[in-house]
Amino acid sequence: DSGVTQTPKHLITATGQRVTLRCSPRSGDLSVYWYQQSLDQGLQFLIQYYNGEERAKGNILERFSAQQFPDLHSELNLSSLELGDSALYFCASSVTNNEQFFGPGTRLTVL
Amino acid sequence: KNEVEQSPQNLTAQEGEFITINCSYSVGISALHWLQQHPGGGIVSLFMLSSGKKKHGRLIATINIQEKHSSLHITASHPRDSAVYICAAPNNNDMRFGAGTRLTVKP
Repeated sequence: DSGVTQTPKHLITATGQRVTLRCSPRSGDLSVYWYQQSLDQGLQFLIQYYNGEERAKGNILERFSAQQFPDLHSELNLSSLELGDSALYFCASSVTNNEQFFGPGTRLTVL
Repeated sequence: KNEVEQSPQNLTAQEGEFITINCSYSVGISALHWLQQHPGGGIVSLFMLSSGKKKHGRLIATINIQEKHSSLHITASHPRDSAVYICAAPNNNDMRFGAGTRLTVKP
């Protein structure tokens, strides 16, 4: 158990819908990272937050957004969902830019 | 050409064998990560290294910053080592991942 929690574990929704994925980092970790893992693209970095502020941005679509709240949990919002958004979404947390601890992931299926 | 390349893509070994997985990268990095992804999907960070060698149990990771190459070794491999091993290179504010090496260790 990494200490990072993600909810929900599985999510099935339809094209055009909007979903919110939630991540609670390890106690004391200020950085939260979001990653997408799809079958055809592998793991891709989406975005990083540090202590509530956006720190780095990767291959995140405009339809996706994230935020980190004062209690340091983070949410990833995916809107206008397309079939190609079906993937595993991981969050990870770390102390600054050190070793990252990964959550169990949320499996999103868009039908 | 991918910025982070791993080899081999697939690897099958007999229990007890010494395993080597290689990672080459073309981006400038300060450290390289090795990750392990279990068949169930969970990801575990194995190492983050910026120079030399690190060892944890039967796992050893080495990196040569000048040659932009890293290796992950598993000694006395065991079926429970069966997983996908992924190297990842942070680049500026991004993280680039290799495609992964699927390791199967047979008893």
